[in-house]
Amino acid sequence: KNQVEQSPQSLIILEGKNCTLQCNYTVSPFSNLRWYKQDTGRGPVSLTIMTFSENTKSNGRYTATLDADTKQSSLHITASQLSDSASYICVVSAAKNNAGNMLTFGGGTRLMVKP
Amino acid sequence: DVKVTQSSRYLVKRTGEKVFLECVQDMDHENMFWYRQDPGLGLRLIYFSYDVKMKEKGDIPEGYSVSREKKERFSLILESASTNQTSMYLCASRRGRGYEQYFGPGTRLTVT
Repeated sequence: KNQVEQSPQSLIILEGKNCTLQCNYTVSPFSNLRWYKQDTGRGPVSLTIMTFSENTKSNGRYTATLDADTKQSSLHITASQLSDSASYICVVSAAKNNAGNMLTFGGGTRLMVKP
Repeated sequence: DVKVTQSSRYLVKRTGEKVFLECVQDMDHENMFWYRQDPGLGLRLIYFSYDVKMKEKGDIPEGYSVSREKKERFSLILESASTNQTSMYLCASRRGRGYEQYFGPGTRLTVT
């Protein structure tokens, strides 16, 4: 069964500090992995997408890594800001032959940045 | 900019009522999706449609049906709402297989 596990479930950090969120998956065959940011009461918004051959991808203060051998990904946030307070969701796409790339969603990490 | 809109941000319905949740996208996307999101369970796929008048069951279709008569609109229907359908409902669309999904703002449905 395809699964995506995220850790920690929740995290509180001080403004300006760095943090790293983890994502482990057992999705096969692997197509790509995305990190989404979801503000409270809003829909998720994509931060990064990584395919099998990519190890690192950055989007401003967000840097995602992917280790396809160990099936792990991380999202590193540098110099956190209050606006980074949100849920971060790891989503892994499995390649299929039909029209749908089926997605498996992690449960998310709830990040709170305090002043 | 892709825009996915949902008809209501908040909705309160009574048990047994028929409920319609509407989703519209303005980017001519082929595929559309309905998810529900519950604390501790993440997003779970209810139904998806990869073209007009086409639909496929997701992981948790029981108690729901969908309609896609036009490309830009995907409706989720709760035939007889129950309290266990209280949840956040998210609609998403994408151009096609392998492309990014864009999410709407969500509808928080409460069934009393």
